[in-house]
Amino acid sequence: DTAVSQTPKYLVTQMGNDKSIKCEQNLGHDTMYWYKQDSKKFLKIMFSYNNKELIINETVPNRFSPKSPDKAHLNLHINSLELGDSAVYFCASSPKGAVPYNEQFFGPGTRLTVL
Amino acid sequence: AQKVTQAQTEISVVEKEDVTLDCVYETRDTTYYLFWYKQPPSGELVFLIRRNSFDEQNEISGRYSWNFQKSTSSFNFTITASQVVDSAVYFCALSVDNYGQNFVFGPGTRLSVLP
Repeated sequence: DTAVSQTPKYLVTQMGNDKSIKCEQNLGHDTMYWYKQDSKKFLKIMFSYNNKELIINETVPNRFSPKSPDKAHLNLHINSLELGDSAVYFCASSPKGAVPYNEQFFGPGTRLTVL
Repeated sequence: AQKVTQAQTEISVVEKEDVTLDCVYETRDTTYYLFWYKQPPSGELVFLIRRNSFDEQNEISGRYSWNFQKSTSSFNFTITASQVVDSAVYFCALSVDNYGQNFVFGPGTRLSVLP
């Protein structure tokens, strides 16, 4: 059984398009996250959601918007895609909403390529 | 601001050798949390360990061990008798709050274990 799943695994699109990446976790966790990993493997947290409430929002462009229809899902919508958005995006979840006290379970990642 | 440094960009060892991955962190907070994650070639992120700033006990888990030293702000990771399956990028990370804000990853160390 997949704990944290993301779709699609690969996404190739043209600059200027709008796209979404879906994330689902079946662990019953309270908090979900989105991370961006660039070509140099640098990982940076983008958002976290706790019980459908946005907790943090790192300095990401407002073209990125997380959407959580329920506790098990946190989708990432990106408007007006730019070349610099090309990266691997990871979804993660953790219980109790407290990162330091609990490990994060990561999804397999979505490789986004913007042409 | 928090910062994590992993000075070793890439390390290559021959199978069965021991290898230590260095991690140095910076924070002014007295309460903080340190993590190690593994990213194998398949791309997923795997949680390895979490340590809080009040617990300086070293930890051993099979062939893995971690040496936490507050005096030098280091949280080093040693793999004993390395195996080819240990080949991966290893990330050290630091968090200083409860909800993932200021959760910072180091740049990662790519470990190659040669047969």
